[in-house]
Amino acid sequence: EAGVVQSPRYKIIEKKQPVAFWCNPISGHNTLYWYRQNLGQGPELLIRYENEEAVDDSQLPKDRFSAERLKGVDSTLKIQPAELGDSAVYLCASQGVRPQETQYFGPGTRLLVL
Amino acid sequence: KNQVEQSPQSLIILEGKNCTLQCNYTVSPFSNLRWYKQDTGRGPVSLTIMTFSENTKSNGRYTATLDADTKQSSLHITASQLSDSASYICVVSSSGANNLFFGTGTRLTVIP
Repeated sequence: EAGVVQSPRYKIIEKKQPVAFWCNPISGHNTLYWYRQNLGQGPELLIRYENEEAVDDSQLPKDRFSAERLKGVDSTLKIQPAELGDSAVYLCASQGVRPQETQYFGPGTRLLVL
Repeated sequence: KNQVEQSPQSLIILEGKNCTLQCNYTVSPFSNLRWYKQDTGRGPVSLTIMTFSENTKSNGRYTATLDADTKQSSLHITASQLSDSASYICVVSSSGANNLFFGTGTRLTVIP
């Protein structure tokens, strides 16, 4: 079974440019997370989806970040415009129905803003 | 405030030796505690998950312990291998807000 798929794996852009990340969760997983991980730090939650509903986006910088999961499967995370401080790894994770189930992470997208 | 603190921040050990990583948390209400291994350039991979009633769980050479009274957990690695070099992240789930709280991780380096 395929794990969580993310693309692209790497992205280099200039500041003020837009960028988008894509995530395909494990089949059947209704919970999807987007995290941002800075070097040497643990992941920080940006947004959590239950199916197509964003149930926790309190940590998402809404002035420049947006996310969607229109059909409750794939998800995209967008930054517009990107700032130097947005350089980080953006991780997507998915989880099954029960809260005790393991959370599976994708490989992440490493973003570098110049 | 819900927090997860890990120690040490980094650790270097010789191949074949054992080591123990620590995790202290203040998350409440508590649901479960997870240990993840994150190789460089990859996403975290789950090693163990423990609920309130569990005080030890093993996964091969990895053994996690949980003391819910003192809100402490440890991850013990036995007979370390070079492939154990990675960051180990402690994650505590709160049942109240259904949130996950991440520690900053311990960076383990195993040298030959």
